[in-house]
Amino acid sequence: DAKTTQPNSMESNEEEPVHLPCNHSTISGTDYIHWYRQLPSQGPEYVIHGLTSNVNNRMASLAIAEDRKSSTLILHRATLRDAAVYYCILSPTGANSKLTFGKGITLSVRP
Amino acid sequence: NAGVTQTPKFQVLKTGQSMTLQCAQDMNHEYMSWYRQDPGMGLRLIHYSVGAGITDQGEVPNGYNVSRSTTEDFPLRLLSAAPSQTSVYFCASRGGSSYNEQFFGPGTRLTVL
Repeated sequence: DAKTTQPNSMESNEEEPVHLPCNHSTISGTDYIHWYRQLPSQGPEYVIHGLTSNVNNRMASLAIAEDRKSSTLILHRATLRDAAVYYCILSPTGANSKLTFGKGITLSVRP
Repeated sequence: NAGVTQTPKFQVLKTGQSMTLQCAQDMNHEYMSWYRQDPGMGLRLIHYSVGAGITDQGEVPNGYNVSRSTTEDFPLRLLSAAPSQTSVYFCASRGGSSYNEQFFGPGTRLTVL
């Protein structure tokens, strides 16, 4: 399985944009890039996913490099509630595809 | 929709006891899975199912059994609990029109003494 590399932690200020990087140099052509986050004492929740093009939804934006070897999750305006562990995961689409979680990146948000 | 529900929320077992963690979803999702999360770690896949009657092993299946007799339910059975199984267990499901979005339950915190 292709692996992802994320920094261990990152800090941001409230109401400022946050860019969370993820490297995945061994990504295959069929791998989707998924992002999940886990708030303290909760189960993970889906944030966004993409294949080749940049993606936007109500929670975040996903910027994917042209060679697909890296991606960046963008939170446009961090709030205290965004403090969480963010996981970048590669997985092909399909009924049997599995999500393999690494340690993720811990985002702290300063008031 | 209640989404993915798990019971119990907390459980304390003695070594050697058996128990079943319950998981149910009301979204008619085909795919369901069980993960465990140890302190400071990411989630590790225990077992998964792509539909009723079909189950398969994940990354850390030893000591756990699963069955999928209905689309809605996916119980996880600990055969003989060991302290190494102390962890937080998450059930998840996905399917339908948003197949790439996996929904997680709130978790069961299990302590084995």
